[in-house]
Amino acid sequence: AQKITQTQPGMFVQEKEAVTLDCTYDTSDQSYGLFWYKQPSSGEMIFLIYQGSYDEQNATEGRYSLNFQKARKSANLVISASQLGDSAMYFCAMREGFSGNTPLVFGKGTRLSVIA
Amino acid sequence: DVKVTQSSRYLVKRTGEKVFLECVQDMDHENMFWYRQDPGLGLRLIYFSYDVKMKEKGDIPEGYSVSREKKERFSLILESASTNQTSMYLCASSLWDRGSHQPQHFGDGTRLSIL
Repeated sequence: AQKITQTQPGMFVQEKEAVTLDCTYDTSDQSYGLFWYKQPSSGEMIFLIYQGSYDEQNATEGRYSLNFQKARKSANLVISASQLGDSAMYFCAMREGFSGNTPLVFGKGTRLSVIA
Repeated sequence: DVKVTQSSRYLVKRTGEKVFLECVQDMDHENMFWYRQDPGLGLRLIYFSYDVKMKEKGDIPEGYSVSREKKERFSLILESASTNQTSMYLCASSLWDRGSHQPQHFGDGTRLSIL
């Protein structure tokens, strides 16, 4: 069974509008962390935002925020005021347990295209 | 800033060759990882290492091996390259057990083509 599911292979958004990228996860651990990465066409993976399973507030980093719904096991990324430079692949990832040594498990990604 | 450097951005090899992909990080990170990325499949973990001379299999280790002789360097080896190993390979590193919030830092990737 997939641990991370990203159901949107591709999405389009108009410049300056907000967009939500979906991510659901599957774990029986009480302690886990959720991550979002951005991969532009150049290939590098850029860490965007983190949400811990015990965090009571949704994480925010600039124009990025994470809509964390623990009961639904979802961790959607919200990008506000989209810019052309936001066009990229976006990956949701999870680390189970307390240890920071456990490798991240990634979803299949969503390709976001921002239209002028 | 953390710097993870992969030796080649693009690499073309022939079937049956032994291929080495090199990764070096400059931040004294204990943990290092190799993933491959294929369209529609996301990133899949091949091998990882917590320390020098230590290695752990990931989800898809078949056809690969790794070497970690120095803390900063983690090499992925394709013992006898095959066309189904044509892919994008990503190396990552992270600090030892600083909590689940620790992100992995990635290199720019190597696009490997096996002809």
